[in-house]
Amino acid sequence: AQSVTQPDIHITVSEGASLELRCNYSYGATPYLFWYVQSPGQGLQLLLKYFSGDTLVQGIKGFEAEFKRSQSSFNLRKPSVHWSDAAEYFCAVGGNNDMRFGAGTRLTVKP
Amino acid sequence: GAVVSQHPSWVICKSGTSVKIECRSLDFQATTMFWYRQFPKQSLMLMATSNEGSKATYEQGVEKDKFLINHASLTLSTLTVTSAHPEDSSFYICSARADSGRFYNEQFFGPGTRLTVL
Repeated sequence: AQSVTQPDIHITVSEGASLELRCNYSYGATPYLFWYVQSPGQGLQLLLKYFSGDTLVQGIKGFEAEFKRSQSSFNLRKPSVHWSDAAEYFCAVGGNNDMRFGAGTRLTVKP
Repeated sequence: GAVVSQHPSWVICKSGTSVKIECRSLDFQATTMFWYRQFPKQSLMLMATSNEGSKATYEQGVEKDKFLINHASLTLSTLTVTSAHPEDSSFYICSARADSGRFYNEQFFGPGTRLTVL
């Protein structure tokens, strides 16, 4: 069965600092992997996705993620966080027929 | 990107009434749409997969008679919460999977509908 684990429930970083959000997955085949961001009371916005090919994926808003098959990980990174990045971040695995989401990581940005 | 809308964006209803939520793909066709439920500060849980022209497939533990799904066309799926109770209060999010074109097979999410049952 496919599943996603986001080990960090809440992360606080200072504005301008770097960010890494962790995501580990369990999947029987080559996974489709996604990162979404959700602002309070809003729907989901796709940041980036990995289907195949280059394991370092560039997304919107300066985010990137790296697929590491050996570690079953797909961590999200950003070199310099902006106050507007404060939100909930969800990692997801799957794609065609269903999508399983991690529990989410809430990002707080300190001035 | 492709756009999915939901209507209403929020609704408050009395216990025992039914509420219908619409999910529309605005600029693409979607044979398959998905309905998710999200409790406060929690993740999205897949409730059911909606297929145009056939019955929806419900996840384990989701009552199909409680959450009626109708996929009337290639751009519209509706979720009706029947005889709603306070425990049905939640944020309901739909997604639509593009049938063709540039975004073939990708899922796009609606903005969500917040349901509050008094």
